[in-house]
Amino acid sequence: AIQMTQSPSSLSASVGDRVTIACRASQGIRNDLGWYQQKPGKAPKVLIYGASSLHIGVPSRFSGTGFGTDFTLTISSLQPDDFATYYCLQDHDYPWTFGQGTKVEMK
Amino acid sequence: EVQVVESGGGVVQPGGSLRLSCTASGFTFSDYEMNWVRQTPGRGLEWISYISDSGSTIFYSDSVKGRFTISRDNAKKSLFLQMNSLSADDTGVYYCVSWYSSALDYWGQGILVPVSP
Repeated sequence: AIQMTQSPSSLSASVGDRVTIACRASQGIRNDLGWYQQKPGKAPKVLIYGASSLHIGVPSRFSGTGFGTDFTLTISSLQPDDFATYYCLQDHDYPWTFGQGTKVEMK
Repeated sequence: EVQVVESGGGVVQPGGSLRLSCTASGFTFSDYEMNWVRQTPGRGLEWISYISDSGSTIFYSDSVKGRFTISRDNAKKSLFLQMNSLSADDTGVYYCVSWYSSALDYWGQGILVPVSP
């Protein structure tokens, strides 16, 4: 199975900060990668699909880049609603696999 | 309004069985590929099964293959997960999720499955 490694596992940031989360695949997955946000007690929701396409309704401060094995999720200016846990998911090959998550906390 | 609602959860003993159901509304269920995703203390978020829109193609994670069976009834806009030989490692929240345009887009609220003696 393809392993997805996220970094960091957690980070502390302030409102207005630029935040970057990385995800690395154990083998090439083209651009078959999504980013998901989860808040406590809620289901995840999709932010980015196809590595860089913004899902409908997602604010433009979220962006994704990458191809092959290395991917990045960037929040250009962190907002209060963005404190959550973020996961990458590869859908290149079954079994699909998630990263272990990155918790974004308030500094 | 899109709604995805899981049901059928509850405490089950190790070695036991449980059948989860998911009913969908607000979108054309028969056009959507569907998945089960779970969140457990040991494995975090884990994709466990996929079924194509027609039901003809199915995949499982290694952790549930041979024990869990996914199925669907498009006429009833329903997705199912038959879970057998459950263990404590299967304890977690199970989500029914649609797949469309390269994204897990519609998620249910999740249903808790505790496996405990």
